Amino acid sequence: GQQLNQSPQSMFIQEGEDVSMNCTSSSIFNTWLWYKQDPGEGPVLLIALYKAGELTSNGRLTAQFGITRKDSFLNISASIPSDVGIYFCAGQKGAGNNRKLIWGLGTSLAVNP
Amino acid sequence: NAGVTQTPKFRILKIGQSMTLQCTQDMNHNYMYWYRQDPGMGLKLIYYSVGAGITDKGEVPNGYNVSRSTTEDFPLRLELAAPSQTSVYFCASLGTPTDTQYFGPGTRLTVL
Repeated sequence: GQQLNQSPQSMFIQEGEDVSMNCTSSSIFNTWLWYKQDPGEGPVLLIALYKAGELTSNGRLTAQFGITRKDSFLNISASIPSDVGIYFCAGQKGAGNNRKLIWGLGTSLAVNP
Repeated sequence: NAGVTQTPKFRILKIGQSMTLQCTQDMNHNYMYWYRQDPGMGLKLIYYSVGAGITDKGEVPNGYNVSRSTTEDFPLRLELAAPSQTSVYFCASLGTPTDTQYFGPGTRLTVL
């Protein structure tokens, strides 16, 4: 099935460092979503992006909807130990009953205190 | 609101057994989804529903069945469990106008 190219696959950083991850696709999306999954839990929405070029922040998190509508990035500033988890991007295409969500394979983040 | 709830949290099945994974949402969402997540992999869509009485296949529907008799409930049925169905199963519902999916806590299934 179609999937997004999400990179990096994993990251191991020191507490306080900034983090950047991105997703790219050959397809155009009308919505980009970033989720975080803690161990043993379901994914939780972090940021939703609805317009090309949109830049949105949620605390220390910032995400952008690429101008071509084929990519998105997520930045985390001043990382802390509770940022540990797997981050997924998801692109949505279609509308109404035909809307479909395409998922990246995730970026696993480890933070060394 | 409790959001999306799933039961059971864990289950071990023998090959050939059947079971139903329950999913309930109390947000009055029309759209609901079932995903499976294998270790180190992303989410794969099994089935989805756009409203009560309407279901459709996702990316990996073989070996599963669903029904949607009410807006709140979207159970996933495994008729003849196989080891390849060992996975973590997530149910999600789609909220509007934000158009974002809300996930349940997952059911961890092992088939031996």
